[in-house]
Amino acid sequence: GIQVEQSPPDLILQEGANSTLRCNFSDSVNNLQWFHQNPWGQLINLFYIPSGTKQNGRLSATTVATERYSLLYISSSQTTDSGVYFCAVEKGVNYGQNFVFGPGTRLSVLP
Amino acid sequence: DAGVTQSPTHLIKTRGQQVTLRCSPKSGHDTVSWYQQALGQGPQFIFQYYEEEERQRGNFPDRFSGHQFPNYSSELNVNALLLGDSALYLCASSYRRQPQHFGDGTRLSIL
Repeated sequence: GIQVEQSPPDLILQEGANSTLRCNFSDSVNNLQWFHQNPWGQLINLFYIPSGTKQNGRLSATTVATERYSLLYISSSQTTDSGVYFCAVEKGVNYGQNFVFGPGTRLSVLP
Repeated sequence: DAGVTQSPTHLIKTRGQQVTLRCSPKSGHDTVSWYQQALGQGPQFIFQYYEEEERQRGNFPDRFSGHQFPNYSSELNVNALLLGDSALYLCASSYRRQPQHFGDGTRLSIL
């Protein structure tokens, strides 16, 4: 099956700093999503981005499908950005089939 | 517009018991997927239900079973509970080629 790697595993930032999180996957995919899991366990959709670039406020993401990686950019980080960021991919034609999550990047933003 | 709702939020069981977790999908969604998230790990796909049938299954034993009702809501049943079944159980819903949306999860503790 598809392997998903994320780096770095842990990241500590001072409030206001920028960061880049990376997701590598081992095969072509039909779906790629970035999620943020807050300290209470809630898993929040950030981006649906199987290819291309998207931006939403301080967050943006780029997926280069041909090279099998995706990047999540966080600018001007805030303490509320703390939590675990997951990349998840799937090959299936029908969405949600065998969605494979990476191990996550744990982000801590210090005031 | 309610999102994905799961119940209960927390549950404590003992080894050998059986448990049923419930999920109501986001309005307009017809597909429900279940995931298990052990502490410190990414979610792992258990199975997916569409049109009241299990469409795909991850690498989980037969002790894990499910059901989808005509109103698209779903149940996850786990029999003969083991200590290793302690985890956050997440339900996600989707519609065709739209991204998945996750509920807040049920935290299951096995004593």
